This record gives sequence, C-alpha cells and structure tokens, in this order.
Amino acid sequence: AQSVTQLGSHVSVSEGALVLLRCNYSSSVPPYLFWYVQYPNQGLQLLLKYTSAATLVKGINGFEAEFKKSETSFHLTKPSAHMSDAAEYFCAVSAGEGTYKYIFGTGTRLKVLA
Amino acid sequence: KAGVTQTPRYLIKTRGQQVTLSCSPISGHRSVSWYQQTPGQGLQFLFEYFSETQRNKGNFPGRFSGRQFSNSRSEMNVSTLELGDSALYLCASTLGGGGTEAFFGQGTRLTVV
Repeated sequence: AQSVTQLGSHVSVSEGALVLLRCNYSSSVPPYLFWYVQYPNQGLQLLLKYTSAATLVKGINGFEAEFKKSETSFHLTKPSAHMSDAAEYFCAVSAGEGTYKYIFGTGTRLKVLA
Repeated sequence: KAGVTQTPRYLIKTRGQQVTLSCSPISGHRSVSWYQQTPGQGLQFLFEYFSETQRNKGNFPGRFSGRQFSNSRSEMNVSTLELGDSALYLCASTLGGGGTEAFFGQGTRLTVV
C-alpha cells in the first residue's frame, strides 16, 4: 500500500532563506507524487507533480522537487522564501492505477520570518 | 474555465441532524473524490466516484454516503451528525488518465454543535 511521511509538522525560515520541506513515500509501483499548498480557509492548490517524465520537477511560485527513487524521497525546495509562502504544504501519492484516490502526508506548516 | 465549486461554504448543524454537501467538478472532469480534513487526522479519503459509480470508499462509518449524477456533480451526505464530524470537507475533480492531478474546491466547513 502507498503511504507518505512528511518530516516536520512545523518549519520556520527567514525571508530570503532556502525552503526545504521533506517528503518520503512508500509505493509498490512507480508512484505519481504531488505537492499541494493550502492557505487558511482555502482548498488545496497544486504546486507540482511527478509522473516519471523527469526527476527534477519545477512548479509554480518558484518551487521545485526532486524525485529520488533510491531514497524514496520527493522533497520540496525553494531557493528564497517570501512572506507569501507562509501556508501549509501537503505531499501526496496516488493510491495506484485505476484510481484517483490520493494518500496525503500530515502536512508541514511553513512560517516565514521577517 | 470555472474551478471546482462546493456549496455551501459554511454550515452549522446540531448533533443528530443530517447534512448534504454539494460539489460541481470542472467541466469535462468525470472523477470526483471527497476528503475530510481535521486538525487531528489530517486529510482522510472518503469516497471516489467515476461516471456515477463509486470506485473506492474510505474507512468511515455508514453514516457517510455519497453519489454522483450523470452531469458529474456529486453530493455527500452525513446522517446522525456527531461532534466529531466537524471538519473541512474537500471535493476534488480529476480529468482522468494516469498521473493527472486533482483540482480541489475551497471546501465546506461543517460545524456540529
């Protein structure tokens, strides 16, 4: 069965510093992986997705993630944090072929310090 | 192109009542999934529908039910509400095909008092 682990429920960075949010997955088949962002009282917005086309995936708002099969990781990074990046971030894996059910991590709340 | 629309945005219900939430997916999307989001449990999968058929169901009691109509709109119903049902209920629509992403609505915030 697929699963996702996000290390660190809360992460604080200074404005302009590197953002690194960690995600490890478990999947018995080549996974489809996603990062979503959620602002207060909003739904989830897709940042980027991995579908095996390329291991380094670029997303919106300057975010990117690298798929590392040997480490079963899909960490999210951004070179320079902005105040507007403060939100909750979720890593998700597709539950398998023939379904659009996602398994979500527990989320990481990012705080950006001025 | 219009996004996923969930109605209502906010609901307050009393224990024991029932509630129906609605979701209109993006035009052309045939798959709709529902999730419950709470601070303690995070995002939990409720159901998945494709072309009016339930394909998957999460680990929730039978009080939680759903359906999908021929126009792909979906509803979920919770009967005999409990305090623990207070949550943000999110609907997601998917076009189809491997690796395609889910698009989420803004959710319905249900408060049970």
